[in-house]
Amino acid sequence: KNEVEQSPQNLTAQEGEFITINCSYSVGISALHWLQQHPGGGIVSLFMLSSGKKKHGRLIATINIQEKHSSLHITASHPRDSAVYICAVRLDYGGSQGNLIFGKGTKLSVKP
Amino acid sequence: GAGVSQSPSNKVTEKGKDVELRCDPISGHTALYWYRQSLGQGLEFLIYFQGNSAPDKSGLPSDRFSAERTGGSVSTLTIQRTQQEDSAVYLCASSWGRTNEKLFFGSGTQLSVL
Repeated sequence: KNEVEQSPQNLTAQEGEFITINCSYSVGISALHWLQQHPGGGIVSLFMLSSGKKKHGRLIATINIQEKHSSLHITASHPRDSAVYICAVRLDYGGSQGNLIFGKGTKLSVKP
Repeated sequence: GAGVSQSPSNKVTEKGKDVELRCDPISGHTALYWYRQSLGQGLEFLIYFQGNSAPDKSGLPSDRFSAERTGGSVSTLTIQRTQQEDSAVYLCASSWGRTNEKLFFGSGTQLSVL
């Protein structure tokens, strides 16, 4: 079983829809990252969370440490949001800041 | 520079040859990270440098892989005696070096071992 599980693997939405991508992990963590990878391959760091909720524009990320779960929400989705969204965690024991465990990603396609 | 720069963007090599991949982090960033992304696989951690501390090499898959960071800036990832399973996109990232902060990624080097 992967330590970081994302769902769904693939998601197709219509422009304007509210989107939720989920990330569950089975280990204790000190931080969780949400990353966006566009079709060209470039990766952008969207959020780093250790508790609570963060918001940036139309993107909202939440984390529930007790339930070992995080969600990434996109409001009023747009075709330019089409990308692979990747969840990554840093373990809370051992390992360095760079030693992240990555989920396999959620491929989002937003249709006009 | 304005962002993390990696070179070359593409590298095709023959099995058994050595390759060097370069990463130029954002100026002032003390932390530097190497990851790789194989076709159909997720990202995996390779090595992490933080300032003058000993690097975390725990993600390097074999002793054919090594990395150095000169002068606290540019880093080179070296793969000796390349194998076909080394084919992947090698990604470099950098950050300010504070605890649990966002990372800034380069565009990656696509390595193909024939």
